Amino acid sequence: DIQMTQSPSSLSASVGDRVTITCRASLSISTYLNWYQQKPEKAPKLLIYAASTLQSGVPSRFTGSGSGTDFTLTISSLQPEDFATYYCQQSYSTPWTFGQGTKVEIK
Amino acid sequence: QVQLQESGPGLVKPSQTLSLTCTVSGGSISSATYYWSWIRQPAGKGLEWIGRIHPGGSTNYNPSLKSRVTISVDTSKNEFSLKLSSVTAADTAMYYCARVRLDYRLFDSWGQGTLVTVSS
Repeated sequence: DIQMTQSPSSLSASVGDRVTITCRASLSISTYLNWYQQKPEKAPKLLIYAASTLQSGVPSRFTGSGSGTDFTLTISSLQPEDFATYYCQQSYSTPWTFGQGTKVEIK
Repeated sequence: QVQLQESGPGLVKPSQTLSLTCTVSGGSISSATYYWSWIRQPAGKGLEWIGRIHPGGSTNYNPSLKSRVTISVDTSKNEFSLKLSSVTAADTAMYYCARVRLDYRLFDSWGQGTLVTVSS
């Protein structure tokens, strides 16, 4: 299985801050990397796919980058509705696997 | 816009079989451009992919669960189902069904989830 490791596991930030979350794959996955946002008691929501393509309807303050084994999700200016847990997911090979999540909390 | 809704018992006894159904509305489950998948999440923990099915019937399961999992599809009812046998407390989780876009294998639509507790 491909292991996905996110860092940090949690972070505290203020509204307006720039936030960066990192995801590392245990082997090269090209750009088969997707990002999801999950709020408490809700299903995950797709934000970015193919490492850098913004899903329709997702605000442009979310950007993704990377290829191979190292990827980042950046929120350019954190908004109140962005406080949530973020997961990366590799779709390069089955079993599809997720990172352990990064919880973004209010400072 | 497609919507997915999970249904099934919220409580299952140890050693029994967990059975859930995902009903798809607003779109056809027979579309060849999508897989249909199950994912679970224990309370306070991360996401685990269980398996997927193509409307043609081909399946792919997570090896960690493969010996206990069956996913099937009923195109006439626009629904797909999950069976997980010989459950233990470790199978207690929120279970989500999701649509998978074939090109990038991304989960683009999710059900709201259903909590299944394994307990006697």
